[in-house]
Amino acid sequence: ETVMTQSPTSMSTSIGERVTLNCKASQSVGINVDWYQQTPGQSPKLLIYGASNRHTGVPDRFTGSGFGRDFTLTISNMEAEDLAVYYCLQYGSIPWTFGGGTKLELK
Amino acid sequence: EVQLVESGGGLVQPGRSLKLSCVASGFTFSNYGMNWIRQAPGKGLEWVAYISSGSSYIYYAETVKGRFTISRDNAKNTLYLQMTSLRSEDTALYYCARHRYNYFDYWGQGVMVTVSS
Repeated sequence: ETVMTQSPTSMSTSIGERVTLNCKASQSVGINVDWYQQTPGQSPKLLIYGASNRHTGVPDRFTGSGFGRDFTLTISNMEAEDLAVYYCLQYGSIPWTFGGGTKLELK
Repeated sequence: EVQLVESGGGLVQPGRSLKLSCVASGFTFSNYGMNWIRQAPGKGLEWVAYISSGSSYIYYAETVKGRFTISRDNAKNTLYLQMTSLRSEDTALYYCARHRYNYFDYWGQGVMVTVSS
């Protein structure tokens, strides 16, 4: 099983700040990584697929990058609506596995 | 509008069974693979099972293999998850999610399953 490790587990941010979230795979998964956003009380929503492709309707302040074992989600200009938990998912091998999540909070 | 509506959850004793359903609307259900994904209270996401559009391919997480069975009825636009030998660690909010290429593009609101005596 491929283990996905996200860091940090939580982060205090400010509106307008640039935020970088990390996800590391225990083995290479190529570009087979998605990012999901979950706001409180809501179902997760797809942000990024294939490591760097923004899903329809996702604001361009969200950028995904990475290949192999190391992946990054960057929010270029933090907005209040971005306060959420972010999960990476690898689908390079079965079982598909999520990272433990990174929670973004306001300072 | 794509909609996925889960049902069938509730409180069940350890060792018992429960069957979840997910009714799909707003798209051609038979053209898409489907997944079950769960989230224990206050915890992260765990992928549970996948079924291809025609039920030819089925995959499970190791934690549920042999106990859970995913199935679908394309005539009824419905996805199922039959859960047997339930354990306390199966307590979670269960989401169904549509599978497109290699991502989950639509999720239901989830149905709660509580395993407790």
